[in-house]
Amino acid sequence: NAGVTQTPKFQVLKTGQSMTLQCAQDMNHEYMSWYRQDPGMGLRLIHYSVGAGITDQGEVPNGYNVSRSTTEDFPLRLLSAAPSQTSVYFCASSYRGAGNEKLFFGSGTQLSVL
Amino acid sequence: AQTVTQSQPEMSVQEAETVTLSCTYDTSESDYYLFWYKQPPSRQMILVIRQEAYKQQNATENRFSVNFQKAAKSFSLKISDSQLGDAAMYFCAYNWNYGGATNKLIFGTGTLLAVQP
Repeated sequence: NAGVTQTPKFQVLKTGQSMTLQCAQDMNHEYMSWYRQDPGMGLRLIHYSVGAGITDQGEVPNGYNVSRSTTEDFPLRLLSAAPSQTSVYFCASSYRGAGNEKLFFGSGTQLSVL
Repeated sequence: AQTVTQSQPEMSVQEAETVTLSCTYDTSESDYYLFWYKQPPSRQMILVIRQEAYKQQNATENRFSVNFQKAAKSFSLKISDSQLGDAAMYFCAYNWNYGGATNKLIFGTGTLLAVQP
């Protein structure tokens, strides 16, 4: 049982480049989300999805784009990378998205933007 | 807006001893959930324990227990019989329950726990 799989684990970009962080889960979870983790700031919600075809913004959505075409996949796109997007990115999922549900996290993607 | 505060950036404990990590939160809601997540050096986020605000009884999970003080908006984590594997960053998190898909956690800034042999 793979759980939540994120790729790549590490990535270095130049300012202005674009890339997609991949996230896939095999638990048939309806709810998926993306967080970024920065030193001294904890984790902050970027975007989330409550099901295929439905996405919404979190606390820090600017500079990021998402789509949810299948239940399993929830990619995060950086359209024009900036140094401020240097961070560790986590994808997380839960069964229905209820507030008391355990979130299952991927192992993270460490992104550096030069 | 809801906020979560962890005032201890770093803590240290001797192996087999007990340590308490502090967390306070600010909310005007009465129905919510609180969590402690552990992040070891592997970077994997692991749920340690959760508490429903409507339950007065403090949650426990083996060596981990919480002291939930709703009126004081305090949610501390106690780790008993500390083990080397407990060394990690610990995050306190809050989630408001408004009945929909609300799994949008608000995290504190974390407490880095070192366990000395």
